Amino acid sequence: RKEVEQDPGPFNVPEGATVAFNCTYSNSASQSFFWYRQDCRKEPKLLMSVYSSGNEDGRFTAQLNRASQYISLLIRDSKLSDSATYLCLGGGADGLTFGKGTHLIIQP
Amino acid sequence: DVKVTQSSRYLVKRTGEKVFLECVQDMDHENMFWYRQDPGLGLRLIYFSYDVKMKEKGDIPEGYSVSREKKERFSLILESASTNQTSMYLCASSLAGGHPYNEQFFGPGTRLTVL
Repeated sequence: RKEVEQDPGPFNVPEGATVAFNCTYSNSASQSFFWYRQDCRKEPKLLMSVYSSGNEDGRFTAQLNRASQYISLLIRDSKLSDSATYLCLGGGADGLTFGKGTHLIIQP
Repeated sequence: DVKVTQSSRYLVKRTGEKVFLECVQDMDHENMFWYRQDPGLGLRLIYFSYDVKMKEKGDIPEGYSVSREKKERFSLILESASTNQTSMYLCASSLAGGHPYNEQFFGPGTRLTVL
């Protein structure tokens, strides 16, 4: 099965800082990418889709780098409430695969 | 809003019991999925279905079966529960078709404990 890899972290970041993490994928034919957020003991919730041209939603920016086969998530002006696990979902016609997630901790 | 519901939030069963986990979605999605999630292992796909009565094995189908008799309902069956099937089980659904329509929407999960 095609791989989607993430650094598990944890990323410990002070409140107000900017943080970015990546998700690499092995299948060069992958076309669909998404970022999810998962709080402890809750289900994953869609944060944003990742378009070829990039995608921005408030403090969150997602980008796709096809040449290096990764997607990124940038969080600006981080809030305590951003503490969560961030999962990427990616793939193509042969199916979508989740990464194992990156654990983010925003510290006051 | 898409709504995916699962029949139980918490379930405790005994080894050897037959266990049914039910999932219902109300958005007429073609695709439905069953995952289990364990610490350090992430989300692992058990089975998925892209149409009524159709099913495909995921990465870890052993010990599980599924049923999809109606478009909105996808059931996961543990024929004979074992302790290593203690886990969080998550159901998801998505539209057919390409990006961005194939994002998956999740139910709240069922935390199953097998004693």
